[in-house]
Amino acid sequence: QKEVEQNSGPLSVPEGAIASLNCTYSDRGSQSFFWYRQYSGKSPELIMSIYSNGDKEDGRFTAQLNKASQYVSLLIRDSQPSDSATYLCAVNGDSSYKLIFGSGTRLLVRP
Amino acid sequence: NAGVMQNPRHLVRRRGQEARLRCSPMKGHSHVYWYRQLPEEGLKFMVYLQKENIIDESGMPKERFSAEFPKEGPSILRIQQVVRGDSAAYFCASSPQTGYSNQPQHFGDGTRLSIL
Repeated sequence: QKEVEQNSGPLSVPEGAIASLNCTYSDRGSQSFFWYRQYSGKSPELIMSIYSNGDKEDGRFTAQLNKASQYVSLLIRDSQPSDSATYLCAVNGDSSYKLIFGSGTRLLVRP
Repeated sequence: NAGVMQNPRHLVRRRGQEARLRCSPMKGHSHVYWYRQLPEEGLKFMVYLQKENIIDESGMPKERFSAEFPKEGPSILRIQQVVRGDSAAYFCASSPQTGYSNQPQHFGDGTRLSIL
């Protein structure tokens, strides 16, 4: 069974710090990786997508992918209290349209 | 608003009643996905539909649950004879016509279903 694992947290960081969120996945055939942010009671909002090994940067967000280690991470620089939310890692396979979600990491940014 | 539209936002049903959840995909999207989220858990895939076709319903319970995406109108997720365990947030997502695995899925605000 394909799995996506995340530490549930909460991960607490001070305002202005770098928040590092991690995710591992079990299916070596996975090709597409996504990070979603979800505020309590709201919809998941796509933040980043990454498809190849290495880093991908978008503003304060950097996604990192290491397929050999089956590991994907999200770095949030200059964390703001408004970044406090649950971050969901999602993975799908080469021919699969199903997103497999982790249970999410709750991030708390302290003012 | 060109986003994924779901309604109702909140739905309360008594055990044994039927629940109907609606989803209109983003403009230009013809692929719809339904996911269920239980409290403190991640989203679980239920079903993938294109217009007038169910492509994959492997995540949907075999009984009481059905989904459709007619040629005209929104996609409907229907739950018959609801039980307390059906209480959850149900999210709909859509993606563009290509439907390739690397096309990001965009989510609606969900329907929170509560069973009394």
